[in-house]
Parts: sequence; C-alpha cells; structure tokens
Amino acid sequence: NAGVTQTPKFRILKIGQSMTLQCTQDMNHNYMYWYRQDPGMGLKLIYYSVGAGITDKGEVPNGYNVSRSTTEDFPLRLELAAPSQTSVYFCASSLDRGGMSNQPQHFGDGTRLSIL
Amino acid sequence: AQRVTQPEKLLSVFKGAPVELKCNYSYSGSPELFWYVQYSRQRLQLLLRHISRESIKGFTADLNKGETSFHLKKPFAQEEDSAMYYCALRSQGGKLIFGQGTELSVKP
Repeated sequence: NAGVTQTPKFRILKIGQSMTLQCTQDMNHNYMYWYRQDPGMGLKLIYYSVGAGITDKGEVPNGYNVSRSTTEDFPLRLELAAPSQTSVYFCASSLDRGGMSNQPQHFGDGTRLSIL
Repeated sequence: AQRVTQPEKLLSVFKGAPVELKCNYSYSGSPELFWYVQYSRQRLQLLLRHISRESIKGFTADLNKGETSFHLKKPFAQEEDSAMYYCALRSQGGKLIFGQGTELSVKP
C-alpha cells in the first residue's frame, strides 16, 4: 500500500494563479483532511471530509475549495493564489468506525507551495 | 476554546539525558490526546495516544486532567529521537487540533 499520496511535492505559483493539490489514499479510509503548516506553527485544518460527497470547513478554509467525489481522492483547490497561502500542505486520512473518527491519521509527505 | 499549547519551540539535550516535551490543552469534556512525530525527510506519523497507555520507542505520556497536561517523556534520549514532535487533541467530529510543535535535538 502506498498510503496517502500527495502531488506535486513542490510548486511555485504567481499571485492570482489557480491550482489543485492532489491527494489520494488506498487504505479505504472514509475520513480525509487537509492541513497547512506555516513556519513555527502547528498544523491548521483547512477542510475535511467524512466520506464521499461530504465536506466541511476546518479552522482556516478561506481561499480554498475541496471536493470528494470518490473515497480515494480529496483534491484541494486554490482559485486565486495569494502570498498568504505560501505554506506546506498536508493531506491525511483515517478510518472511522461508528461515526466518530477514533483512529490515527495517516499523513502524506506534504506539498510545499510558494506564491510569489 | 479548544487549544493545544507546546511552550518550547526547541529542546536540546545530550544523549542519555532525560527528555520531557511539554503539552498543555484546553478542552471542555473528556480529552483524547496524541503525540505525532516527524523525523527528518519523513512524513508525520503517530507516536502514541493516551488511551492506549503504551510506551513507544521508550516514550511515555500521561494524561493529567488536573493540570490539563500530556507531557511526553523519555528517561534516556537517543540521537535518533531528534525530530519534530506535535501534541494533538481530538475535537468533536474526529478533527485534530495540533500544537505548534517542539523540535527535539539530541546531541552526541
């Protein structure tokens, strides 16, 4: 199993450009998450999903959009890139049993994104 | 408010010395706490969780509800323990709230 796979690993964008960060998992996990990690800060939750077709906002959703059309994939979209979105982005997944995810989260390697 | 605080950004110790990485939380209700670790050039991974009462790689962490703390401890640090350590609290809906992280540096 590959676990959680994120692409690309690095990207530089110009202000105002758009892009999609890809995340896929092969563990049949129903919960998936997107975090951003700024220097010297902890991970902050952007969006999460408890299953295909269901998404919800996390702590810092502004400037991002997500979709969850399949169990495996949870792409994160930046529509109008801004310098404040320069960060490292982590995708994670976990297996839920019984409605509350009490299983550990499995993380991808991260995507380092710079907006110039 | 739900919050996790790791007061130390960097903790530097010598090999063989005891280590304690501090974590304090704010949560109304029964908390569920975790420690995640990120070694150099590796992905973030679960180290241990309080409900398991386990010892992983010599690390332990005890939940102290009176002090709202979940400090990570190891009696004798090893060089391979050098990494970023994140304390995390599970909030409603399965979401994790992370602390700012503590970089542990174990010198030879």
